[in-house]
Amino acid sequence: DSGVTQTPKHLITATGQRVTLRCSPRSGDLSVYWYQQSLDQGLQFLIQYYNGEERAKGNILERFSAQQFPDLHSELNLSSLELGDSALYFCASSPTVSYGYTFGSGTRLTVV
Amino acid sequence: DAKTTQPPSMDCAEGRAANLPCNHSTISGNEYVYWYRQIHSQGPQYIIHGLKNNETNEMASLIITEDRKSSTLILPHATLRDTAVYYCIVRRDNTDKLIFGTGTRLQVFP
Repeated sequence: DSGVTQTPKHLITATGQRVTLRCSPRSGDLSVYWYQQSLDQGLQFLIQYYNGEERAKGNILERFSAQQFPDLHSELNLSSLELGDSALYFCASSPTVSYGYTFGSGTRLTVV
Repeated sequence: DAKTTQPPSMDCAEGRAANLPCNHSTISGNEYVYWYRQIHSQGPQYIIHGLKNNETNEMASLIITEDRKSSTLILPHATLRDTAVYYCIVRRDNTDKLIFGTGTRLQVFP
């Protein structure tokens, strides 16, 4: 157990639908990062939040949005889903004054 | 962020040392070198990081050249469980995002 909790682990939904992925960072970690990994593709950085505020944005589609709540958990909202959105979505967290990221085990999203 | 270049794949015999190279010729003076690995579809796992000195931990050793333009991750006694994709990443500080490249797919064989 890495300490970063992602729910759900698996999600199957239809095209056009909206889903919410949840991430609870390690205790005390202020930064949360979201990544997308499509089949046999690399990890694409989507967005970073730091203590409730957006810190950096990567290749995140306009149909996707995220937020970090006062208790530091984060949600990634994916809407108007397309088949190509099928992927593993990873969340990671990191502390401010120490090294490294810790990744969760991911949410596998399948759009049918 | 500085870009890194890694060979796409490498093989290593079980029990032998695996030496994974990384080129980061445009690294800035305040950027660290990080190594992560991803086993199958699991979340990436932190291995080691360094600024300019060589580093060692229970998993691996990191050798950074004096000019900091390249580094080598060394797994001293590779096992089958070390089969994974290894990513070399440069990063400014701990509030900075990690940008993953394509990595090196290491296959450890019996």
